[in-house]
Amino acid sequence: GESVGLHLPTLSVQEGDNSIINCAYSNSASDYFIWYKQESGKGPQFIIDIRSNMDKRQGQRVTVLLNKTVKHLSLQIAATQPGDSAVYFCAEKRAAGNKLTFGGGTRVLVKP
Amino acid sequence: DTAVSQTPKYLVTQMGNDKSIKCEQNLGHDTMYWYKQDSKKFLKIMFSYNNKELIINETVPNRFSPKSPDKAHLNLHINSLELGDSAVYFCASSQGVTGVISYEQYFGPGTRLTVT
Repeated sequence: GESVGLHLPTLSVQEGDNSIINCAYSNSASDYFIWYKQESGKGPQFIIDIRSNMDKRQGQRVTVLLNKTVKHLSLQIAATQPGDSAVYFCAEKRAAGNKLTFGGGTRVLVKP
Repeated sequence: DTAVSQTPKYLVTQMGNDKSIKCEQNLGHDTMYWYKQDSKKFLKIMFSYNNKELIINETVPNRFSPKSPDKAHLNLHINSLELGDSAVYFCASSQGVTGVISYEQYFGPGTRLTVT
């Protein structure tokens, strides 16, 4: 069946280091991917997205990499800060429609 | 200005009761959603409306009934509440279904429902 999943449920990172959050997806028909950040007690907040015709996209301190060959998505956070502590979700969208299927989430803990 | 707002933020009620959660977006979006997030943080879509029409209806008990009076509002009514309904419910909105620049969904702050 289709699934969007994450390899690491919890990631501990030293402040200032780079973080990498991985996500595997199984639906080759997905054409759009998105990363969200959810802080405690809040709704998910958009970080960055990427369409399937791209393999890399950069934002402010974040980079998303898409490898369609192995159906893998990653989010890199440069110089991780305490404010980056949150749960991160990847989500995919199939070519038809607008439904996002979310992965299970990875908790990032930034150690001072 | 709050882009997507939900009321109430917290809702504590007893089994068997009927309750509603309201959602409003001021982004001018055509599409709105309801998600359920369980205690393990898993986020699952329940419903989606596009211009007041139901377009996504996942396998959800029919005790849950969404209502969209206009494209800026999407309410969720739950009948005969059960213990398993306890979760955080998120409303979200996006530009539309097709031909849009972004499929980004904007989420509300969530409503924590506790059924006792």
